Amino acid sequence: NAGVMQNPRHLVRRRGQEARLRCSPMKGHSHVYWYRQLPEEGLKFMVYLQKENIIDESGMPKERFSAEFPKEGPSILRIQQVVRGDSAAYFCASSPRQGDNSPLHFGNGTRLTVT
Amino acid sequence: TQLLEQSPQFLSIQEGENLTVYCNSSSVFSSLQWYRQEPGEGPVLLVTVVTGGEVKKLKRLTFQFGDARKDSSLHITAAQPGDTGLYLCAGLTLTGNQFYFGTGTSLTVIP
Repeated sequence: NAGVMQNPRHLVRRRGQEARLRCSPMKGHSHVYWYRQLPEEGLKFMVYLQKENIIDESGMPKERFSAEFPKEGPSILRIQQVVRGDSAAYFCASSPRQGDNSPLHFGNGTRLTVT
Repeated sequence: TQLLEQSPQFLSIQEGENLTVYCNSSSVFSSLQWYRQEPGEGPVLLVTVVTGGEVKKLKRLTFQFGDARKDSSLHITAAQPGDTGLYLCAGLTLTGNQFYFGTGTSLTVIP
């Protein structure tokens, strides 16, 4: 999973600030997924993107959260006006294709702490 | 909505024992994958099962996909401390739009 790069690894924000999480997929991968994880729990789907398109954002809160995957550059998960409940690990995964059982390649996550 | 329930949630066993982890759903999935995650890292794929009833073996690990493609199990024989980690199942929806992850099973193997 070293091929998917997420940064920063750790991010501390005060309530009300903005958090920007970045994900560079593996080379050749055009599909990106974002997941959120609380300690000792499974991953909760947030959003699925292809280059320049949001395919499925059904798991992402309607307010304060947004995601993009521009033609050039990394995918960005943006959380505005963070609250303590946003504290979690956020994982990005990439795959080369959609829906053909290709494995998801995960980054090592960004741990967001809201104080 | 959590579509995949895993059991048990926590499991602590002695080295050399056998164990089975279950992943159950009321939904049908196109395929199911099992991942293992270690602290501070992202999940790493162990196996993908696609066909109902399929059984795959990976050394001491045996994976089975239910006939109806709604559930799966992971059996570990003679567990070792290196097997310690969080085991996650993930189902690919029939639309192929997303992978739903299970609730996770945290395994600790005591030397």
